[in-house]
Amino acid sequence: GAVVSQHPSRVICKSGTSVKIECRSLDFQATTMFWYRQFPKQSLMLMATSNEGSKATYEQGVEKDKFLINHASLTLSTLTVTSAHPEDSSFYICSARDSRQGNSPLHFGNGTRLTVT
Amino acid sequence: QKEVEQDPGPLSVPEGAIVSLNCTYSNSAFQYFMWYRQYSRKGPELLMYTYSSGNKEDGRFTAQVDKSSKYISLFIRDSQPSDSATYLCAMSPFSGGYNKLIFGAGTRLAVHP
Repeated sequence: GAVVSQHPSRVICKSGTSVKIECRSLDFQATTMFWYRQFPKQSLMLMATSNEGSKATYEQGVEKDKFLINHASLTLSTLTVTSAHPEDSSFYICSARDSRQGNSPLHFGNGTRLTVT
Repeated sequence: QKEVEQDPGPLSVPEGAIVSLNCTYSNSAFQYFMWYRQYSRKGPELLMYTYSSGNKEDGRFTAQVDKSSKYISLFIRDSQPSDSATYLCAMSPFSGGYNKLIFGAGTRLAVHP
C-alpha cells in the first residue's frame, strides 16, 4: 500500500527557534499533500493543503507566516514552524494520496511530536 | 454543533466480542466516508473507505453508511487485543473527494484478553 514517511518523529526545541518537518511519499507521486494538527485526545484538524509547484492553501485561523509550507517535488512537502512557542507543541501529521489513481483515499505519515520548551 | 460527532469512549470489550463504532454527521453533502485506526503516538492508518451509501466488508471489518440517517458504522468481528486503538471516522463532501477530510474525535477501544 501507499507509504507516507514523516521525519523527524519527535523533536524538542526551545521557544523562538524554528523546526522543519518533512513529509515524503515513498512509492507514489503526490501533487497535493495535507498537513494536520492533533492535540491530545482530540481529533485531527486540517491546517493547510500543500500544492506541488505553487503556494499552499491555509485553513481559516492558521497563520501562514508561522507555518511555512514548501512542496518542492512530487514526493516531498515540508512544514516549518517558525519562531515556535510552547502553544505550538502538538502532534503534526501529514497525508497524501496517489495523484495517478483518481480519487484514492488519503494515507498518513506517522506524525511528528513537537515539544517547545 | 460539530459537523461530525463520535463518542470518545473508552470502549472496553473482551477478546472475541463484536465491536460497533459509530459516527453521526450533519452535513448532507458528505459523500466519502472513511475509517482510520490510530495507535498511540502514530499516524492514522486507513481501514475502510466508501463512497455514498451501503456496506463494505474487508476481513473482520464491515463499514456501513446510512445517508438518510446521516450515520456511519464500523463493525469489528472477533475482536483481538491488537485491535486496541483509537478509531477515527472521517468524511468529505463530493467537491473535496477524499481530500478535505473532516474527522470525528475518535473512539478509544480496548480489547482485553
